[in-house]
Amino acid sequence: EAGVAQSPRYKIIEKRQSVAFWCNPISGHATLYWYQQILGQGPKLLIQFQNNGVVDDSQLPKDRFSAERLKGVDSTLKIQPAKLEDSAVYLCASSSRKVQFFGPGTRLTVL
Amino acid sequence: AQSVTQLGSHVSVSEGALVLLRCNYSSSVPPYLFWYVQYPNQGLQLLLKYTSAATLVKGINGFEAEFKKSETSFHLTKPSAHMSDAAEYFCAVSDDANAGGTSYGKLTFGQGTILTVHP
Repeated sequence: EAGVAQSPRYKIIEKRQSVAFWCNPISGHATLYWYQQILGQGPKLLIQFQNNGVVDDSQLPKDRFSAERLKGVDSTLKIQPAKLEDSAVYLCASSSRKVQFFGPGTRLTVL
Repeated sequence: AQSVTQLGSHVSVSEGALVLLRCNYSSSVPPYLFWYVQYPNQGLQLLLKYTSAATLVKGINGFEAEFKKSETSFHLTKPSAHMSDAAEYFCAVSDDANAGGTSYGKLTFGQGTILTVHP
C-alpha cells in the first residue's frame, strides 16, 4: 500500500513570501492532519480534517496559515506571508483503524 | 488537556545494552498511547500503540512498552540495542475524538528523545 505523499520535500523562501505544501493521504483514509515540527520539538497539530470538513484548527495561525482539502482526498497547506519562525518541518498524516501514518514531511526554511 | 513528558532529551547506550526511554503522560480521559520513531529526514514511523487492551505492548524491531496507570507512565524498552536503533523517539497521547469510530483524535507529542548507540 502506498504511503502518505508530500511535496515538495524542501523549500527555501524569503520572509513575507508565500508558500504551499501538498499532501496526498493513503487511499481510503478519511482523516487527514497537518503538523508543524520545529527543530528540537515534537510535532504540533495545526489542523485536522474529517473528509472535507475541519475538525480542529485551534492551533492554526489563521492570520497567515490556511488549509483546504478538496473532495476529501488531497490537501494543501499555505502560508502567506511567511515569517522566520515558520521555519520547520511540516508533516502530513492520515489515519485508519486508530493509527496515524505520516508522510516524509516538507522542510521549510524562511530566510 | 493532555500532555506528555519525555525524561531525557538524549540517551546514549552501547550496542547490546538495554534501551530505556521514559515517557509520562497526563490525560483527563483513558488515554491511547503511542511510540513513534523518526530517522533523519524521514517522517514518523509507528513503533507500537496502547489502546486499552494488554498493558504490555510489543512493537516492531524488538521494542516493547508497558502501560502503568498508577505511575502514568509508558516507558519504551528494548533488551539489546542495535546500531540501527539510533534515531529520535517520540511518545504521544491521543484522545479518541470519535469514540467507537475509526479515527483517533489529535496526537499530543513529547519533546522527543535522541537515542545514540555506540559500538
